[in-house]
Amino acid sequence: ELKVEQNPLFLSMQEGKNYTIYCNYSTTSDRLYWYRQDPGKSLESLFVLLSNGAVKQEGRLMASLDTKARLSTLHITAAVHDLSATYFCAVDLMNRDDKIIFGKGTRLHILP
Amino acid sequence: NAGVTQTPKFQVLKTGQSMTLQCAQDMNHNSMYWYRQDPGMGLRLIYYSASEGTTDKGEVPNGYNVSRLNKREFSLRLESAAPSQTSVYFCAYGGPDVSPLHFGNGTRLTVT
Repeated sequence: ELKVEQNPLFLSMQEGKNYTIYCNYSTTSDRLYWYRQDPGKSLESLFVLLSNGAVKQEGRLMASLDTKARLSTLHITAAVHDLSATYFCAVDLMNRDDKIIFGKGTRLHILP
Repeated sequence: NAGVTQTPKFQVLKTGQSMTLQCAQDMNHNSMYWYRQDPGMGLRLIYYSASEGTTDKGEVPNGYNVSRLNKREFSLRLESAAPSQTSVYFCAYGGPDVSPLHFGNGTRLTVT
């Protein structure tokens, strides 16, 4: 059974600081997704990581995937208040079945 | 959200009542998903459909049924609602290949 664990679950940080959110998963997969959700809103896709060593960057966010360690990271550089949101990672089991399983999310609060 | 229509947006039910949540996508995608979101629990997969006419259980299928009668529509039915089914329900299409999931705006369901 695929388990996806994120940590931390809650993070409060100052503007201008750097931080990393971790996503561990329990079984082999080469596909991992990151999403953002604002309060009361739906989820929007941030990154799709499709292979070991994949790195994607958009603005102050950078995501990477290490399939051997079953670990993905979402790194925030010089945080700004607009990045306050909940961030989810999700993993799919690829050809074994089509389930896409989410972590519990990391609620990020950036203090001005 | 682009390509996904979910109805209704809000619903209040009494225990034991039934209802169907509707979801339609106009992107001609094979895979569709139903998730529920509860505070502190992230998104949990209820059912998914890899293609028209096929459905499979997710992490929390008990108390729900689904129907994928055509490629466009994927409905979720609560036959006898319980307070434990109070949640926000999201439908999505996309995945499990290079495409991320695209989510509807959600249905906020309260069972009293």
